[in-house]
Order: sequence, then structure tokens, then C-alpha cells
Amino acid sequence: EPEVTQTPSHQVTQMGQEVILRCVPISNHLYFYWYRQILGQKVEFLVSFYNNEISEKSEIFDDQFSVERPDGSNFTLKIRSTKLEDSAMYFCASSTDVNTEAFFGQGTRLTVV
Amino acid sequence: TQLLEQSPQFLSIQEGENLTVYCNSSSVFSSLQWYRQEPGEGPVLLVTVVTGGEVKKLKRLTFQFGDARKDSSLHITAAQPGDTGLYLCAGASNSGYALNFGKGTSLLVTP
Repeated sequence: EPEVTQTPSHQVTQMGQEVILRCVPISNHLYFYWYRQILGQKVEFLVSFYNNEISEKSEIFDDQFSVERPDGSNFTLKIRSTKLEDSAMYFCASSTDVNTEAFFGQGTRLTVV
Repeated sequence: TQLLEQSPQFLSIQEGENLTVYCNSSSVFSSLQWYRQEPGEGPVLLVTVVTGGEVKKLKRLTFQFGDARKDSSLHITAAQPGDTGLYLCAGASNSGYALNFGKGTSLLVTP
């Protein structure tokens, strides 16, 4: 069964460093998303991406964040200068169309020290 | 932001019991999805409901979308230990791109 894959599964980084989280969405999906979940809190929307541009972003997705689809398969989330409060599980998701089922990856646990 | 309130927050029951968890909002959603999440893993989609009043069944799980598309419920019949997990509801935002998640109901089914 097709699935969304994310790498790495765990990432530890020092405050102020840049990190890139990688995702391979399901191959025939056209809409891509990043969500995050701080420990013990709810899943929060960060950004959606369609047709090589951001279609929607939340207040969390400030100038420190960027997304890119560098090739036909990968979808990345970059955090330029990490802060302690960026520590969270980051989930990538994809869907065939807007308002249809979104399938989530297993997540990347980011720890900023 | 369209808020989704889930209740109860925690539920501990014995194997064989029935249970219902709720997802409520003051906002109308074009669709609502139910996910199950295990610790340290991503949400796994269970079902999507779209039409007001819609009922969907997935084995022992029954999902209902309210007539006004503001609320939903998940009913589990004869719960099993394998049903243990965090059940999340998520509604599509007005734009349709974002999913707004509830905080979830943490279910523990003991043998």
C-alpha cells in the first residue's frame, strides 16, 4: 500500500542551526502538507503546497520556515535558525485533491538543544 | 480558526464494553476526518464523512456526521485491547487546504 515516507525519523540539532526535514509523498498525490505536534499538544497545520507554490500557511509558518519540492518526488521543510520551541514531531501529509483524505507519514521527531 | 472539541479527553474501559466519543464545533465543516494515532507515530486515517447525517461503518466502528455538519461521533462496539490509542477528529478549513485537529480522545481498553 502506498505510503508517505519521512526522513530522518529523529533529528537533534543545536539552537540556531538550520534543519531540513524530508518527505516523499504518495506518488499520484498533488497536494502536500506539513503539520507539527508539540509533545502533549494537538496536531497543528503549518503549510500546504500545490502546483509548486504555497496554497495556505498558518501563523506558525513564519519567515524561519520554507518548503520546497526540489524534484518530482521529494517535499522538504526547512527551518533556518531553529529555536528551542521548534522541538516537536513534524508530519508530512499528502492528498489527491483538496478536501479529500490526507495521508500522514510517520513523522520526524525534531529536538532542538 | 475553527475549533474542534473532543470528549471525553480520556477513557478507560474493559474489553467488550461499548463506547462513544464526540467531536463538536460551532463551525460548519465541509468534511470531517477521523484518525487514530499511536505514540510516536503519525495519524492513520480511519474515515472521512462529507454529507450531513452520514453514517459510515468500519467493522466495529461506527462514525456519524451531524446533520448540520458541526459535529461527529465515533462509536465502538465490543471494544478490544487493540482499539487502544488516541482518536483524533479533524475538519477541513474553509479554504479546504488545512485540517483543524481536535486534541483527541485517549482510549485505553484493558483485557
